[in-house]
Amino acid sequence: QKEVEQNSGPLSVPEGAIASLNCTYSDRGSQSFFWYRQYSGKSPELIMFIYSNGDKEDGRFTAQLNKASQYVSLLIRDSQPSDSATYLCAVSSVGTGGFKTIFGAGTRLFVKA
Amino acid sequence: SAVISQKPSRDICQRGTSLTIQCQVDSQVTMMFWYRQQPGQSLTLIATANQGSEATYESGFVIDKFPISRPNLTFSTLTVSNMSPEDSSIYLCSVEKGRGQNGYTFGSGTRLTVV
Repeated sequence: QKEVEQNSGPLSVPEGAIASLNCTYSDRGSQSFFWYRQYSGKSPELIMFIYSNGDKEDGRFTAQLNKASQYVSLLIRDSQPSDSATYLCAVSSVGTGGFKTIFGAGTRLFVKA
Repeated sequence: SAVISQKPSRDICQRGTSLTIQCQVDSQVTMMFWYRQQPGQSLTLIATANQGSEATYESGFVIDKFPISRPNLTFSTLTVSNMSPEDSSIYLCSVEKGRGQNGYTFGSGTRLTVV
């Protein structure tokens, strides 16, 4: 059973701090890694994707991937109250029926003003 | 990215009845995906809907319970049949963002409560 694990939180950080969200996955053959943000009562929204080991930066967001450790993280710099949401990690790999994506249960982030 | 209109946004249904959820995409897409998100849990793929062929269901989901239609490249429906309280969940349709593994765009979701 392929799994994606996240700490459910809540993770609470003060405004302006760095929020660090972590995710581990079980399928060593996974190829694509995604972070989605989901506000309460809303659908998930893709904010970052990463394919290669290392860091990928987009504005205040940095995704980090370490395939050897089967670990992917999301850093949010200068956290704002508007960043308060649930962050879903998703991992894709090739299966017999094509690409399959597995989602983690999400980490709730609360940014205190 | 594609824009998806999903309806209804929410419904409260009696057990034993059926509800059909509709998703309309503003562009033609090959595959549409139907997910379920139970409270505090991850998104679980129910099935993949391809135009012109039967949907492909994931383990634990069957066509009799979740029949899917895909009459054209911009539209799909998911029916939740013979509902029980255990079917209370959020149901989401989604499409791929462009070609290749670039993630998904989701519809706004249908919050279903079965009483």
